[in-house]
Amino acid sequence: KNQVEQSPQSLIILEGKNCTLQCNYTVSPFSNLRWYKQDTGRGPVSLTIMTFSENTKSNGRYTATLDADTKQSSLHITASQLSDSASYICVVSAGLADDYKLSFGAGTTVTVRA
Amino acid sequence: DAEITQSPRHKITETGRQVTLACHQTWNHNNMFWYRQDLGHGLRLIHYSYGVHDTNKGEVSDGYSVSRSNTEDLPLTLESAASSQTSVYFCASSEGTSNYGYTFGSGTRLTVV
Repeated sequence: KNQVEQSPQSLIILEGKNCTLQCNYTVSPFSNLRWYKQDTGRGPVSLTIMTFSENTKSNGRYTATLDADTKQSSLHITASQLSDSASYICVVSAGLADDYKLSFGAGTTVTVRA
Repeated sequence: DAEITQSPRHKITETGRQVTLACHQTWNHNNMFWYRQDLGHGLRLIHYSYGVHDTNKGEVSDGYSVSRSNTEDLPLTLESAASSQTSVYFCASSEGTSNYGYTFGSGTRLTVV
């Protein structure tokens, strides 16, 4: 069964500090890995998408890494801002080009405090 | 600007009633999806469609149905609402498969009492 595990479940950081979120997956055949940000009461918004051949991708202060050998990914938030308070969801796409499915992690809730 | 909208944002219904949640996108995307999100769980796929008149069951499709009569809309129907269907429902669309990003709606919070 395809699974995506995220850690920690939640964390609290001070404004301006950095943090790293983890994602481990058992998904086959692997197609790509995505990180989404979900604000309270809103739908998820895409931050990054990485294919098998990519091991890092940035979007502003967000940097995602992918180690396809160990099936691990991380999302690093640099110089956190209050607006970074949200749930961050790791999503892995499995399957063939015309018939693929997304497996969602349960998310890491990040709270940034002033 | 193109968008994907869900309605209603909040809905309270009684057990056994039929309920339909609307999803409308103006991206002209062929692919549309319905997910439910429950506390402590990742989003789970209910139904999806790859084009007009195409519908497919996802991993948690029991008690739900969809129809796709045009590109823009994919309504989700709960045939006979149950308390286990209390959840937040998200509609999404994408341009293509595999490496294309998904655009999500803002969700519908459904409570079945």
